Amino acid sequence: SQTIHQWPATLVQPVGSPLSLECTVEGTSNPNLYWYRQAAGRGLQLLFYSVGIGQISSEVPQNLSASRPQDRQFILSSKKLLLSDSGFYLCAWRGWGRALEQYFGPGTRLTVT
Amino acid sequence: AQTVTQSQPEMSVQEAETVTLSCTYDTSESNYYLFWYKQPPSRQMILVIRQEAYKQQNATENRFSVNFQKAAKSFSLKISDSQLGDTAMYFCAFGANSKLTFGKGITLSVRP
Repeated sequence: SQTIHQWPATLVQPVGSPLSLECTVEGTSNPNLYWYRQAAGRGLQLLFYSVGIGQISSEVPQNLSASRPQDRQFILSSKKLLLSDSGFYLCAWRGWGRALEQYFGPGTRLTVT
Repeated sequence: AQTVTQSQPEMSVQEAETVTLSCTYDTSESNYYLFWYKQPPSRQMILVIRQEAYKQQNATENRFSVNFQKAAKSFSLKISDSQLGDTAMYFCAFGANSKLTFGKGITLSVRP
């Protein structure tokens, strides 16, 4: 069966510091991968998605970037965090040939102070 | 671009009762899917139910069923025999072109 991991689970970082959040998927190959951000009490905003290694599409211009160095690894980064980057970050995957449902990781709660 | 609207921010239901959560969407796509996701206090997003737009038959998963009205672009979720474990935020989502667009969600509280 497929599983998706995210780490860290929680993170408190000062403004101006760098960020690296990691997502890995097990039990599938060549999945579509997605990064979402969820502000407090709000819906999910798609940040980036990837259909393959090195292929990244950005949905929202912002202070963040994403990379996919391996087939089942997706990384969300920032060089300098802003207060507005605080939120709950979710990674999701979708396999080829399936309907469009996505399966989500447990999330990372980021607080920028 | 697609939009998904969940106009009710909160709802409450008595345990064992039935509740319906509303969702409307707007799109020019002809091939799409619709979903309901549940986010309990743990914040893990869980897929509840899926509806293919080309299917007229409404999807059902145990106590969960949908009322899909394609012409009206409406996609409501009915939860029967509500349980305390159904307390969560529920998100309606529209899927097309490998991406999902989410509504803002509704907080459902099940009262004992």
